Amino acid sequence: GESVGLHLPTLSVQEGDNSIINCAYSNSASDYFIWYKQESGKGPQFIIDIRSNMDKRQGQRVTVLLNKTVKHLSLQIAATQPGDSAVYFCAEMDAGNMLTFGGGTRLMVKP
Amino acid sequence: GAVVSQHPSRVICKSGTSVKIECRSLDFQATTMFWYRQFPKQSLMLMATSNEGSKATYEQGVEKDKFLINHASLTLSTLTVTSAHPEDSSFYICSATRDSSNQPQHFGDGTRLSIL
Repeated sequence: GESVGLHLPTLSVQEGDNSIINCAYSNSASDYFIWYKQESGKGPQFIIDIRSNMDKRQGQRVTVLLNKTVKHLSLQIAATQPGDSAVYFCAEMDAGNMLTFGGGTRLMVKP
Repeated sequence: GAVVSQHPSRVICKSGTSVKIECRSLDFQATTMFWYRQFPKQSLMLMATSNEGSKATYEQGVEKDKFLINHASLTLSTLTVTSAHPEDSSFYICSATRDSSNQPQHFGDGTRLSIL
């Protein structure tokens, strides 16, 4: 189900460092997972996705890791930049194309 | 890439007003669109699934007579907040997906609704 909280966990990193954002998902039947980035006042922006038959997928500066055994998803951002500052949401999709969002993590990049 | 356009981006109006929000998929056909609501510092909560040519499917606790959804074409879905009250103030976001399984939903930039 959806994860809703009053306070977003925050990850603070130094510019140039690598960032790792973690997410636990709930439905073992989910077979497709997506990471979204949301900047203030905007809608979520697609970053990277992964299907359940994979455990790792790489994009430009981003890597998603999937551990189905423990229902865990992570997003790694290499050489984090100030423009990466945003709230990051993981989302799981079921066979009906319905997305369930995680609670979100705020990434703050210090110059 | 896929683009979803949402309009208006910001609405401020008096209590009792009905407000219509449009969601358009600009470069692909979307049989299904989704409407979400987001409160500050919280995640997105699905309100309803909009199906072209048929009635929308509402999530539990969402009043269908309050939030009217019309999906009249493969590129346009509208959400009308009827007789809006201050508690309806929120950030409303739509998304659309290509007509295949395991495709990402692409989101509009949201509508900030403020009811005075």
